[in-house]
Amino acid sequence: DGGITQSPKYLFRKEGQNVTLSCEQNLNHDAMYWYRQDPGQGLRLIYYSQIVNDFQKGDIAEGYSVSREKKESFPLTVTSAQKNPTAFYLCASSPGPTRAGELFFGEGSRLTVL
Amino acid sequence: QKEVEQNSGPLSVPEGAIASLNCTYSDRGSQSFFWYRQYSGKSPELIMFIYSNGDKEDGRFTAQLNKASQYVSLLIRDSQPSDSATYLCAVRRGKLIFGQGTELSVKP
Repeated sequence: DGGITQSPKYLFRKEGQNVTLSCEQNLNHDAMYWYRQDPGQGLRLIYYSQIVNDFQKGDIAEGYSVSREKKESFPLTVTSAQKNPTAFYLCASSPGPTRAGELFFGEGSRLTVL
Repeated sequence: QKEVEQNSGPLSVPEGAIASLNCTYSDRGSQSFFWYRQYSGKSPELIMFIYSNGDKEDGRFTAQLNKASQYVSLLIRDSQPSDSATYLCAVRRGKLIFGQGTELSVKP
């Protein structure tokens, strides 16, 4: 079955630590995205990538980094510079430019900073 | 003014009724419009999209778009308790902008 796999599902981090969230897709989609969701809020775009080895900052990229070395993989690192990292992180992909709003989401990773 | 606005709710309707969810947007150049459903603690899933003025029906769901008035709505006919979720409106012109979502509660 095609889909997007995010791991870990739950993650606890001490302040000052970097953490990396994994996102893998087998849908053969070119575009991949990372969103952040806070309670009672919509989704805010962190980073996106339309092709391998290329990515762009979204609206709230500060304190985050990504890589896109393979089409299937788009990991997100939450660095110690991110001041308020506790949130629900969602990875998504889309089929292509003409269907860029049709997002397929992974199950999400819930990060808690202790 | 927010780029995409939704009433956060909760919107409560009895089982079998029509649920009407509304969304307004500020960018007149917006080209495509999406509704996502998100169950509590889960990730969003796309349920409808609409690109042209008018209505688009898919089963119990109807999306309505009025570009002149800059609003898009989602109607859910014969609402079921399983429809209880948060519904996110998203609007695209270049990038995709999400509203904060409307919580829908369908009471048996």
